Amino acid sequence: DIQMTQSPASLSASPEEIVTITCQASQDIGNWLAWYQQKPGKSPQLLIYSATSLADGIPSRFSGSRSGTQYSLKISRLQVEDTGIYYCLQRYSNPFTFGSGTKLEIK
Amino acid sequence: EVQLVESGGGLVQPGRSMKLSCAASGFTFSNYGMAWVRQAPTKGLEWVATISYDGSSTYYRDSVKGRFTISRDNAKSTLYLQMNSLRSEDTATYYCTREMGSAYWGQGVMVTVSS
Repeated sequence: DIQMTQSPASLSASPEEIVTITCQASQDIGNWLAWYQQKPGKSPQLLIYSATSLADGIPSRFSGSRSGTQYSLKISRLQVEDTGIYYCLQRYSNPFTFGSGTKLEIK
Repeated sequence: EVQLVESGGGLVQPGRSMKLSCAASGFTFSNYGMAWVRQAPTKGLEWVATISYDGSSTYYRDSVKGRFTISRDNAKSTLYLQMNSLRSEDTATYYCTREMGSAYWGQGVMVTVSS
C-alpha cells in the first residue's frame, strides 16, 4: 500500500501570511495527487487535482507543486476563511490513501 | 448541477447489517466510477470502496473485505453500500463521491454501530 506522510499536523498563521503543507508519497504516484479542504460538519472541498491544477472556483492563492514524490500545497495571502483541515489524496492505485490531515488555524 | 444525496444511515447493533444509498443527479451516472469514503468521529478521511462505471470491477479496503459490498443501479442512478457484520470501528460518516479525487461529494450520512 502507498503511504502518504503529511506534515505538519497543525499550524497557526496570521492573515496575509504564506503557509505550505506537504505530503510525501512512499512510492512514485506521478501526478495522481489531489488536495482537499474540509470545514467542520462539511464534505471535503477539492482544491487541487493532478498535483498542480486548480479546481474550479478555487482562489488562485492556492497552488500545488511536486518534487519527485513530495507534494506541496501553498496558500498565499492567508484569509480567515482558510481555517480548516487539509488532506492530500493519492489516487494512483488501490487502496487509495489520504494523508493524515493538517489543521490550519488563522490567528 | 451535480448532486449526490446519501441515505440509510442511523444506529445499528454490532453484528447487524445496514444498506446505504446514494442518489445521483445532474450528470450521466453510468459514465463514471463511484466510491465510498468514510470519516470516523474526529478522525481523518478513509477510502472504503470503489466501483467501475459499469459495475464490473469493485475494490475494497482490507478491513471491510468480505463484509461490505458496493454496487450500483445505473437505471436508477443510485450507488449502494451493503454493510454486514458491522463493528464499532465502522462508526463513521459515510460519503459517496464521483470518482476518487473529484470535486463531487455527497453531504454524508452517519452510521453508528453500538449496542
